[in-house]
Amino acid sequence: DAGVIQSPRHEVTEMGQEVTLRCKPISGHNSLFWYRQTMMRGLELLIYFNNNVPIDDSGMPEDRFSAKMPNASFSTLKIQPSEPRDSAVYFCASSFLRAETQYFGPGTRLLVL
Amino acid sequence: DAKTTQPNSMESNEEEPVHLPCNHSTISGTDYIHWYRQLPSQGPEYVIHGLTSNVNNRMASLAIAEDRKSSTLILHRATLRDAAVYYCILRDIWNTGNQFYFGTGTSLTVIP
Repeated sequence: DAGVIQSPRHEVTEMGQEVTLRCKPISGHNSLFWYRQTMMRGLELLIYFNNNVPIDDSGMPEDRFSAKMPNASFSTLKIQPSEPRDSAVYFCASSFLRAETQYFGPGTRLLVL
Repeated sequence: DAKTTQPNSMESNEEEPVHLPCNHSTISGTDYIHWYRQLPSQGPEYVIHGLTSNVNNRMASLAIAEDRKSSTLILHRATLRDAAVYYCILRDIWNTGNQFYFGTGTSLTVIP
């Protein structure tokens, strides 16, 4: 199994631009999580889906952030418009529903200038 | 989910055992204790988890205090590849979601 796949691995953009991060979970997993990691705030849960349905988006910082999961094998996290304070590493993770183990992707390193 | 307290950093010599402590004085009876680690420039990875009894797997051992207010992750022989941030996380088994809340963790340095 290829594990959780994220793209792009690195993204540099300018303030105000739209950024789309992509995630392909492990086949068969039915829970998907988006996290953000910064030096200041550590690893924060942004949103998670069960069976493609968003369950808890209370961690999404503001309306500029949105996430979708159109099917079981694909999810996106979009930032529009992006700001320098959005610079961080964004991780996607997947698991079986209510399983004890989450599997993380390699992350997308986002730099907003 | 209850909070955990870990030292910010620890050092260990290569080939020696490492004991990483975690305090969770407000743990409830239905909280599982999970450990994840994050290697440099990678996403977190699962290490081990337990409820009441000590647990062993190929990566590590988890020793849980009798009153469950603390636990220790044991790496039996530290290698340079074990240098990582180790997170101790509590999660209620009745948590309807399966999200994890990561704290600041312990940054482990392994000295050759």
